[in-house]
Amino acid sequence: GAVVSQHPSRVICKSGTSVKIECRSLDFQATTMFWYRQFPKQSLMLMATSNEGSKATYEQGVEKDKFLINHASLTLSTLTVTSAHPEDSSFYICSATPGIAGSYEQYFGPGTRLTVT
Amino acid sequence: AQSVTQLDSHVSVSEGTPVLLRCNYSSSYSPSLFWYVQHPNKGLQLLLKYTSAATLVKGINGFEAEFKKSETSFHLTKPSAHMSDAAEYFCVVNGSGGYQKVTFGTGTKLQVIP
Repeated sequence: GAVVSQHPSRVICKSGTSVKIECRSLDFQATTMFWYRQFPKQSLMLMATSNEGSKATYEQGVEKDKFLINHASLTLSTLTVTSAHPEDSSFYICSATPGIAGSYEQYFGPGTRLTVT
Repeated sequence: AQSVTQLDSHVSVSEGTPVLLRCNYSSSYSPSLFWYVQHPNKGLQLLLKYTSAATLVKGINGFEAEFKKSETSFHLTKPSAHMSDAAEYFCVVNGSGGYQKVTFGTGTKLQVIP
């Protein structure tokens, strides 16, 4: 149980275009989803926290107009990288938590490799 | 506030010898602690977690970790390294108390020498 999927697993796009990444919790309802970014050979950096039906909370230094997050349902969150540039190339990982009281374990998706040319 | 420190960025062991990956944490609340493994170009896989039950936690693939409150440590161990253990390992803390965010350590790259 507790499976999180991401789509696509890899995407290549041209500079200036927008890319949408989906994160789905397959067998549980996710009250909260998180989006992380991982640069090569580095740890994961939290970008934003999204709760179903409300606006995402962005970490300091993350441009909310560039990284649009929508958490429209309890099983789906999307991250849209708008007007992508080569420096946005990275590994993006989402996680989801059912938010059961006393247990905040996050279940991670397999990640999406974004390359902007 | 919460933080986690992985003391070694790289650890190299010979196949068949013990593995020790170190992790120290700080948290204002009773923490939950996790170890994740990441193979190259892959997502994160949960190895084990501590959530205030037994202090010695057994995980998958022969890994285990011991929560030591007095030392604020949660070191990951395995008696005998296998080639397939070569990967990046992340120690993660969640301070609980209603605070859902987790904090990642900087990671330890484990190299296993044949």
